[in-house]
Amino acid sequence: DAGITQSPRYKITETGRQVTLMCHQTWSHSYMFWYRQDLGHGLRLIYYSAAADITDKGEVPDGYVVSRSKTENFPLTLESATRSQTSVYFCASSPRVDLYGYTFGSGTRLTVV
Amino acid sequence: KQEVTQIPAALSVPEGENLVLNCSFTDSAIYNLQWFRQDPGKGLTSLLLIQSSQREQTSGRLNASLDKSSGRSTLYIAASQPGDSATYLCAVRPGDAGNMLTFGGGTRLMVKP
Repeated sequence: DAGITQSPRYKITETGRQVTLMCHQTWSHSYMFWYRQDLGHGLRLIYYSAAADITDKGEVPDGYVVSRSKTENFPLTLESATRSQTSVYFCASSPRVDLYGYTFGSGTRLTVV
Repeated sequence: KQEVTQIPAALSVPEGENLVLNCSFTDSAIYNLQWFRQDPGKGLTSLLLIQSSQREQTSGRLNASLDKSSGRSTLYIAASQPGDSATYLCAVRPGDAGNMLTFGGGTRLMVKP
């Protein structure tokens, strides 16, 4: 299916565990992003990537790791999950951020217990 | 630091009304501004993208305007329908063409049949 897909849709994990959220897009968009959405904070950028093998920090990168070995995939790893990382995570992509809007995935609801 | 505010936070209108959603930002040095729609439990859908050099953009019943000097954008929805019920978010991209969108808190719209 064409588009941007995130998996899993829901995830419950324990404090201290490593967890990886997956993001896959079929358009070969250059730019990909990870946001988290929390009540009271809105959407905040965690990491972004301008191309394969190029990543950069956003507003709230601490505790997260990203990689982008292939253009279509942009996984987000929580190295040692904490309760404060309970959130809804959204992946997004764009072919050119100066000319086009962003396309968002449906999100992953992560609960850390 | 850029701050984006959306007022009102919630709005309820009868079907058929024309309505205006507001977005204000503190730093007028923006590259572009986007309006998104978010349905409950879903990702964001890009509605309109306005470049800093543009005054407005239109898509169907939606019209977005931008007054960069005053730090304001409005989203006009004509002849509202129950299917328009959703949360509407605006986001600005910084003038230095950085990749960190700053989102407003959103306006939750309910259109009653």
